[in-house]
Amino acid sequence: GNSVTQMEGPVTLSEEAFLTINCTYTATGYPSLFWYVQYPGEGLQLLLKATKADDKGSNKGFEATYRKETTSFHLEKGSVQVSDSAVYFCALNSGGSNYKLTFGKGTLLTVNP
Amino acid sequence: EPEVTQTPSHQVTQMGQEVILRCVPISNHLYFYWYRQILGQKVEFLVSFYNNEISEKSEIFDDQFSVERPDGSNFTLKIRSTKLEDSAMYFCASRTDGGRGTEAFFGQGTRLTVV
Repeated sequence: GNSVTQMEGPVTLSEEAFLTINCTYTATGYPSLFWYVQYPGEGLQLLLKATKADDKGSNKGFEATYRKETTSFHLEKGSVQVSDSAVYFCALNSGGSNYKLTFGKGTLLTVNP
Repeated sequence: EPEVTQTPSHQVTQMGQEVILRCVPISNHLYFYWYRQILGQKVEFLVSFYNNEISEKSEIFDDQFSVERPDGSNFTLKIRSTKLEDSAMYFCASRTDGGRGTEAFFGQGTRLTVV
């Protein structure tokens, strides 16, 4: 079956530090890959996505590249801000008739000033 | 911007009681979902709903659970007789058609605590 493995948190960084959150997956077929973010007190929001191998998703300075050969979709940001403090979820959608998402466990990021 | 809304944000209930979690999906969406997250664990798929019927459900979604879309706007999750292990954050989501790359939009979640 499908599964997503995410880097264990929590992750604590200083402002302007480089961020990597690792995500690897197991899936049948050719999944689409997503990063969702949950800010304190809010719901899950799509941060970025990639739908095929070698695609790079990007948004708000965050990037992730769909690597089929390593089955990975690591999230990176060159310079984090305090406002990036949130829980980050890696997820995949392998299609089928219902397009349900399979999520990783989530990684709590705290950025200190 | 359209959004998925969930009520209540918090619900505390006694074991054995029935609870109904409510969701208003985005109006032109076609697929509706419930997910849950037990504290410290993964976000897990519970059920998907399409064309006015359940299209898929997980093994978690047993006979104690049911979903309805009674009036074309609300989408509800009912737990008939709650257990302690049902305590979790429950997320509703919806999406349009458009293939596996189309994003699902999530509500803010309902935190259910069973005591």
